[in-house]
Amino acid sequence: GAVVSQHPSWVICKSGTSVKIECRSLDFQATTMFWYRQFPKQSLMLMATSNEGSKATYEQGVEKDKFLINHASLTLSTLTVTSAHPEDSSFYICSARLLAGGSNTGELFFGEGSRLTVL
Amino acid sequence: AQSVAQPEDQVNVAEGNPLTVKCTYSVSGNPYLFWYVQYPNRGLQFLLKYITGDNLVKGSYGFEAEFNKSQTSFHLKKPSALVSDSALYFCAVTGGFKTIFGAGTRLFVKA
Repeated sequence: GAVVSQHPSWVICKSGTSVKIECRSLDFQATTMFWYRQFPKQSLMLMATSNEGSKATYEQGVEKDKFLINHASLTLSTLTVTSAHPEDSSFYICSARLLAGGSNTGELFFGEGSRLTVL
Repeated sequence: AQSVAQPEDQVNVAEGNPLTVKCTYSVSGNPYLFWYVQYPNRGLQFLLKYITGDNLVKGSYGFEAEFNKSQTSFHLKKPSALVSDSALYFCAVTGGFKTIFGAGTRLFVKA
């Protein structure tokens, strides 16, 4: 299956600093990647859809100036949590879909997730 | 709007016994249904999907799921559970471009 690599796996930062998380598709090209946030014992919440070469599409309630997404190439999307605060502490997961004949019926391939702790 | 419901927060089963993790969905049009598994502090792994065709879908690690259109369900099953199957399981539906996940069901398999 396709491989999605996410880095870093763990990050601890001070309040007010910014943190960048990378998501790479290793053996396929992903024109679209998805960023999710997962709170403890809860499901995945879609934050935004990252589109290669264009602006990301954010879900309602997600601050685009807080969570900056850049999808500069077909294999890399980055999520930057700006001016992080303790309430931003969470597990962030990226994913990408293999398109079958241009359709959206393919499964998602997920990165290993990044646990952010803001002190 | 599409939605997914996993009515059980937790399922407990003894090793060697059959297991079922329930999922019901609501979506306009034909549903694309998926099951994923998540181990602690890890991303999700794809188990199986239903797009069209046979209602019984077989996937990874001996798991299977049955699509029931009349009951709008897509329950995950395995004939004989293993301790290593203990994990968090998510049902998901794709309608349009987005994938929506259920709340997740934690499976505990006791030795």
